[in-house]
Amino acid sequence: GAVVSQHPSRVICKSGTSVKIECRSLDFQATTMFWYRQFPKQSLMLMATSNEGSKATYEQGVEKDKFLINHASLTLSTLTVTSAHPEDSSFYICSARDGPGTEIYEQYFGPGTRLTVT
Amino acid sequence: AQSVTQLGSHVSVSEGALVLLRCNYSSSVPPYLFWYVQYPNQGLQLLLKYTSAATLVKGINGFEAEFKKSETSFHLTKPSAHMSDAAEYFCATLGRRALTFGSGTRLQVQP
Repeated sequence: GAVVSQHPSRVICKSGTSVKIECRSLDFQATTMFWYRQFPKQSLMLMATSNEGSKATYEQGVEKDKFLINHASLTLSTLTVTSAHPEDSSFYICSARDGPGTEIYEQYFGPGTRLTVT
Repeated sequence: AQSVTQLGSHVSVSEGALVLLRCNYSSSVPPYLFWYVQYPNQGLQLLLKYTSAATLVKGINGFEAEFKKSETSFHLTKPSAHMSDAAEYFCATLGRRALTFGSGTRLQVQP
């Protein structure tokens, strides 16, 4: 089946620094990738949608200058949290959609990245 | 806006007992509804989906869910719980651009 990986699985960074999270589709080409954020005991909240080679579409309330998303290839999307603050600590999950002809709910999820900002 | 609400953040059952995880939806149009499972340190996996076809939907690992319009519900059931079913379960619906998830229910299976 389709596999999506994320790296790193856990990261601890100091306040004010930037951290990059990678999301890769391992055995398929992902024309669309989604980034979600999950706070403890809360649901996954969509942050942004990115299509390969174009700018990401951010959800309302998500700061595009703080959460930089790059989808430079059909197998890789990155999320960079810039000038991280403790309130950015969260679980970040990416998912990938296999081709424009698939239904939007046919997404494959990565295992998530736990970010802790100290 | 379409949304889902999961009742109960934690459910504990004994091995072999019935599993019932509750999900109610809010939608002005016939919804698409999904159940996902998340095992520790793994990505979400689709258990089953309702897309306006049969109201009783069978999924993987022996799970099924019934769409009940009169109750605006899409509860997930399994007749007999296994230890391996212990995980986090998410109900979801289709939003404007992507999936919209419930808050999740952690299923604990006691030996």
